Amino acid sequence: ELKVEQNPLFLSMQEGKNYTIYCNYSTTSDRLYWYRQDPGKSLESLFVLLSNGAVKQEGRLMASLDTKARLSTLHITAAVHDLSATYFCAVDTLGGTSYGKLTFGQGTILTVHP
Amino acid sequence: ETGVTQTPRHLVMGMTNKKSLKCEQHLGHNAMYWYKQSAKKPLELMFVYNFKEQTENNSVPSRFSPECPNSSHLFLHLHTLQPEDSALYLCASSQGYEARTDTQYFGPGTRLTVL
Repeated sequence: ELKVEQNPLFLSMQEGKNYTIYCNYSTTSDRLYWYRQDPGKSLESLFVLLSNGAVKQEGRLMASLDTKARLSTLHITAAVHDLSATYFCAVDTLGGTSYGKLTFGQGTILTVHP
Repeated sequence: ETGVTQTPRHLVMGMTNKKSLKCEQHLGHNAMYWYKQSAKKPLELMFVYNFKEQTENNSVPSRFSPECPNSSHLFLHLHTLQPEDSALYLCASSQGYEARTDTQYFGPGTRLTVL
């Protein structure tokens, strides 16, 4: 059974600081997604990472994937209040009838304060 | 606003009621999904449909019955639910398994409360 674990689960950051959220998964996969969820809202796609060494950046967020270590990171640079949200990683189990079967991590609740 | 809509947005039902959740996607996608998001559990995949065919049932109790009449519409029929079924039910769509990235786009969800 695929397991996806994020840490930390709660992150309180000061504006302007940097931090990293980690996503570990237990079995082979070649598609990893990062999503953001604001309170009371739905999930918004941030990044999809397809291969070992993949790096994607959008604004103050940068995601990377190491398939050998089964690890993805979401790095936050110079945090601002608008980044406060819950961040999820999700791993796609591929093959046969399992396409599109995303397994999500528990989510990291990020709060950025002055 | 996303290209995936869900109705109703909020639903309160008794354990003996029958109700349905509706999802519609306007993105031209071929795959649709139902997820359950509870307060204390990670987001759980319930059902997957590809080209109107169900390709995944993640051991969901039979009191939840999905229906996909076409690639744009997805329903979740509910009957004799339990209080522990109270959750946010999210619908998503994607291009389908033939797509390289196959990012799933989520609707706003239906907040379900079972009394």
